[in-house]
Amino acid sequence: DSGVTQTPKHLITATGQRVTLRCSPRSGDLSVYWYQQSLDQGLQFLIQYYNGEERAKGNILERFSAQQFPDLHSELNLSSLELGDSALYFCASSVAWASGRSNEQFFGPGTRLTVL
Amino acid sequence: TQLLEQSPQFLSIQEGENLTVYCNSSSVFSSLQWYRQEPGEGPVLLVTVVTGGEVKKLKRLTFQFGDARKDSSLHITAAQPGDTGLYLCAGNNAGNMLTFGGGTRLMVKP
Repeated sequence: DSGVTQTPKHLITATGQRVTLRCSPRSGDLSVYWYQQSLDQGLQFLIQYYNGEERAKGNILERFSAQQFPDLHSELNLSSLELGDSALYFCASSVAWASGRSNEQFFGPGTRLTVL
Repeated sequence: TQLLEQSPQFLSIQEGENLTVYCNSSSVFSSLQWYRQEPGEGPVLLVTVVTGGEVKKLKRLTFQFGDARKDSSLHITAAQPGDTGLYLCAGNNAGNMLTFGGGTRLMVKP
């Protein structure tokens, strides 16, 4: 158990809908990262928050957005869903956002999103 | 864009055999991490290497960071069925992101 929690575990929805994925980081971690993992594209970095502020953006679509709340939990919002958005979505957390051991990222169990 | 290439992509071996997984890049990383992921679960951090030339051992797993900090290898001695999984390397640059390799899917048959 990494200490990172994600809900829900599974999510099935229809095209065009909007969903919210939730993540609680490990106790004491200030950074939260979101990743998308699909069969054909591996693990893709989406976005990072540090202590409530956006720090880095990866290949995140405009239809997707995220935020980190004062209690440090984070939510990833996916809207206007398409079939191709079906994937595993992982949240990870780390103590800080610098390089080296302080950026060791610990992953949650993921949310499996299926868009029908 | 920093890219990490892992090889091989797939590896199927018999219990007791040795294997090496490679992670290569043209970019320099400040540190590199290895993760293992089982189906339907999140990646689990195995090790972080920081210093060029560093070698770390975790039971039957040996991790090495290249002298130039551009590549890394994972060697497993006497593989066991419990080693089956997806092995991912991830390079950490001086910024905020981990760049993941495509992964090596290992199957160890009893």
